[in-house]
Amino acid sequence: DGGITQSPKYLFRKEGQNVTLSCEQNLNHDAMYWYRQDPGQGLRLIYYSQIVNDFQKGDIAEGYSVSREKKESFPLTVTSAQKNPTAFYLCASSIGQGVAKNIQYFGAGTRLSVL
Amino acid sequence: GEDVEQSLFLSVREGDSSVINCTYTDSSSTYLYWYKQEPGAGLQLLTYIFSNMDMKQDQRLTVLLNKKDKHLSLRIADTQTGDSAIYFCAESIPGGKLIFGQGTELSVKP
Repeated sequence: DGGITQSPKYLFRKEGQNVTLSCEQNLNHDAMYWYRQDPGQGLRLIYYSQIVNDFQKGDIAEGYSVSREKKESFPLTVTSAQKNPTAFYLCASSIGQGVAKNIQYFGAGTRLSVL
Repeated sequence: GEDVEQSLFLSVREGDSSVINCTYTDSSSTYLYWYKQEPGAGLQLLTYIFSNMDMKQDQRLTVLLNKKDKHLSLRIADTQTGDSAIYFCAESIPGGKLIFGQGTELSVKP
């Protein structure tokens, strides 16, 4: 059953703590993306990766870090430098750059709250 | 820069048609997309349209594209309570990224 799996569904962060959100896909997609969703603000791009071992900052990368060591996996770390981390985080993947119809497919999301 | 605008709310009666509107700025967009998000869930692709098309119909969904005015709309015929959700318009930009609108919350009243 192909798709994108995000875990955990809910996550709580303590003050000063780094937390990591998992995103795994078995669609054989080259490109992966992380978005942050706040009420009434739509989706904002945090980081994206077009190929393994390479990634670029999106519009709101400060306070976040990523890695892309495997094609299937694109974990997002929310660091203590991110002062307002409470949001719904969405991971997506697509076939990749160079394909005009570059449909992005989404995971079910992780809701992060601060304790 | 690139921008996509949508109205935030739409309320309709069950059985009526819903029309959700979107404007975008990047004239080089090749594809435009409509996604649906139910509460607490990810985004689900509903439909998309290639930029050289004016209209696309898919069962109850009709997408209209006015490329001159950079205006995109999604019409849902015979709207049902199960259609209540947030609908996002998105445009593709060079480099493979998508720019999303703020989302339109559709409320369907029985």
